[in-house]
Amino acid sequence: NAGVTQTPKFQVLKTGQSMTLQCAQDMNHNSMYWYRQDPGMGLRLIYYSASEGTTDKGEVPNGYNVSRLNKREFSLRLESAAPSQTSVYFCASGFGTSGDNEQFFGPGTRLTVL
Amino acid sequence: TQLLEQSPQFLSIQEGENLTVYCNSSSVFSSLQWYRQEPGEGPVLLVTVVTGGEVKKLKRLTFQFGDARKDSSLHITAAQPGDTGLYLCAGARVFGNEKLTFGTGTRLTIIP
Repeated sequence: NAGVTQTPKFQVLKTGQSMTLQCAQDMNHNSMYWYRQDPGMGLRLIYYSASEGTTDKGEVPNGYNVSRLNKREFSLRLESAAPSQTSVYFCASGFGTSGDNEQFFGPGTRLTVL
Repeated sequence: TQLLEQSPQFLSIQEGENLTVYCNSSSVFSSLQWYRQEPGEGPVLLVTVVTGGEVKKLKRLTFQFGDARKDSSLHITAAQPGDTGLYLCAGARVFGNEKLTFGTGTRLTIIP
């Protein structure tokens, strides 16, 4: 039981490049989330998916797209990276409103955009 | 706009001392959670409180949800180096809504 896994762990991009962050969970959770973490800002929700086939914007969705590929996988894509997207990105999953709303987090992806 | 403000932002104390960190908002939350995050890892849930005035204890950690459900506190008794980490509060604005709003975080360092 690996929990929530994320790839890659580290990435350096040049401005304008694109990339996809991958996330998978093996806990049969309905809901999945993407957050970014910046110093002094806590965690801010980018996008989330309440169930397979649905996605919704969070607090800071601009510059990102997501795909809920199946129940296990939820990817985050940066189409044209900008220095303002330098951050640590966390994927999380949980049972959502059908559970106690606990979210389980992956280890994070540290992204630097030059 | 950050809906949940945590204080202090940084706290460094000696092993054995007591401490309290706060999570405040002008908004009402249907439930509030506390997470701890260690360097290089994702946050891990410590507790969830759902009733105004509720107090929960987890060994040396005591969590309280304000009567009006707008604020919360975390008190640690006899802090140990293993308590070092980033403490995050997170609230659900609407009952049954799974989106969480995270606080700004308190980075705690316990000096042996």
